Amino acid sequence: QVQLQESAPGLVKPSQTLSLTCIVSGGSISSGYYYWSWIRQHPGKGLEWIGYIYHSGNSYYNPSLKSRVTLSVDTSKNQFSLKLSSVTAADTAVYYCARAMVRGIAVDSWGQGTLVTVSS
Amino acid sequence: QSVLTQPPSVSGAPGQRVTISCTGSSSNIGAGYDVHWYQQFPGTAPKLLIYANNNRPSGVPERFSGSKSGTSASLAITGLQAEDEADYYCQSYDSSLSASLFGGGTKLTVL
Repeated sequence: QVQLQESAPGLVKPSQTLSLTCIVSGGSISSGYYYWSWIRQHPGKGLEWIGYIYHSGNSYYNPSLKSRVTLSVDTSKNQFSLKLSSVTAADTAVYYCARAMVRGIAVDSWGQGTLVTVSS
Repeated sequence: QSVLTQPPSVSGAPGQRVTISCTGSSSNIGAGYDVHWYQQFPGTAPKLLIYANNNRPSGVPERFSGSKSGTSASLAITGLQAEDEADYYCQSYDSSLSASLFGGGTKLTVL
C-alpha cells in the first residue's frame, strides 16, 4: 500500500517561494502507471489541481498557476517536490501530494495534507 | 465558477437514493474524458469513490455508482446512511484548458 507524506513548512512570508516535498513509501515513484501530483484546497473551499509530473520529469501545470509553479522528481530518493513562487495570502491552503493513474488521471492515493499559511 | 458544475448541496433521508450531478461541456465530459468521483470528510484527504465513470475501487460499497451521458455525469448513492454525509467532488480533463480539474463540490446532508 503506497503512502505519501508531505513535508511541512507551515508558514511562508509573502513574495517568498513555497517549497514542499512528498516522500513516497510502499511503492516506486518510477512506476510507469502513475503521475505524481499536487492538489490544494483553500480553507472551506473546493479542490484545485496544481500540477502533476511523470517519473521521467515530464510535467503538466494548471494554466492559472503555471507561471509560478515548478515540479520536480527525484527517483533516487523516491520523492517529488513543488515550488510555488511569489506567494500571497491567496496561496494559503492545505496542500496535498497524491498519486494519479496515468489513464484518466484519477487520484487513487493521497497524502494527509499540510496547511501552508502565507503571512508576514 | 467551476468548469465542472455541481450543485452546492443535496440531502436525503436514511435509506433513500440521492444523485449528484456534474455538468461539463464539449471540451471535457462531452469530449469523452473520464469522470472520477471523490468523497471527503472534514479535516481529511479526499478518497477515490468512482473512477473512469463507473468503476469502484476495492472496498467502496456497491451503494455508490457512477454514470455519464453527453456532457454530464452523475454519482448515485442508494440506501443512504448517516456515514455518507460528506463533500463529493467530480473530476475530469479539459482539452481547451489542457488541464485536469475538479467540480466545485457538493455537500451531502443526511437528514
